[in-house]
Amino acid sequence: DAKTTQPNSMESNEEEPVHLPCNHSTISGTDYIHWYRQLPSQGPEYVIHGLTSNVNNRMASLAIAEDRKSSTLILHRATLRDAAVYYCILRSRSNDYKLSFGAGTTVTVRA
Amino acid sequence: AAGVIQSPRHLIKEKRETATLKCYPIPRHDTVYWYQQGPGQDPQFLISFYEKMQSDKGSIPDRFSAQQFSDYHSELNMSSLELGDSALYFCASSSRQGQGGGKYLSEQYFGPGTRLTVT
Repeated sequence: DAKTTQPNSMESNEEEPVHLPCNHSTISGTDYIHWYRQLPSQGPEYVIHGLTSNVNNRMASLAIAEDRKSSTLILHRATLRDAAVYYCILRSRSNDYKLSFGAGTTVTVRA
Repeated sequence: AAGVIQSPRHLIKEKRETATLKCYPIPRHDTVYWYQQGPGQDPQFLISFYEKMQSDKGSIPDRFSAQQFSDYHSELNMSSLELGDSALYFCASSSRQGQGGGKYLSEQYFGPGTRLTVT
């Protein structure tokens, strides 16, 4: 499985943007970039995913580098509820249905 | 909207006992996944089922078994419990969309988890 690398932790102030980087230099052409987050004492939650183009949804934006070797999850205005562990996960379109969680980024939001 | 249901939410067992965890997927979801999350750890994939057949297997001990039933609910059976089995067990469900070799990977929806404590 292609691997991802994320910073251990990031801090942000409430209502400020948060940019979460993810490196995936061994990504293959069939790998989608998925982001999940896990709030304290809850199950993981889907955030967003993309293949090549930048993506936006109600929760976040995903910016994908042109060479696809890195991506950035953007939370436009962090709230206290966004404090969670964020996981960047590669999923192959062809045969990889499970989620392989690596070490994610713990986001702390200051009021 | 209906979510993934897991039962029980909490379970306390002694060493060498057995435990059964249940998962009820979101209606019309045909795929179920089981994950284990130890204290301070990231979730680890155990096993998955698609249309009642095992579709993938991760680091699941031989003491554990699972199946998916005709109504798509799934059960994880754990025998000869060990202290190290104490963890959160999450079930997730999804549906496979699309046709043929170009199937789209839909997101997984996780349940609230079952906290298993082995004493």
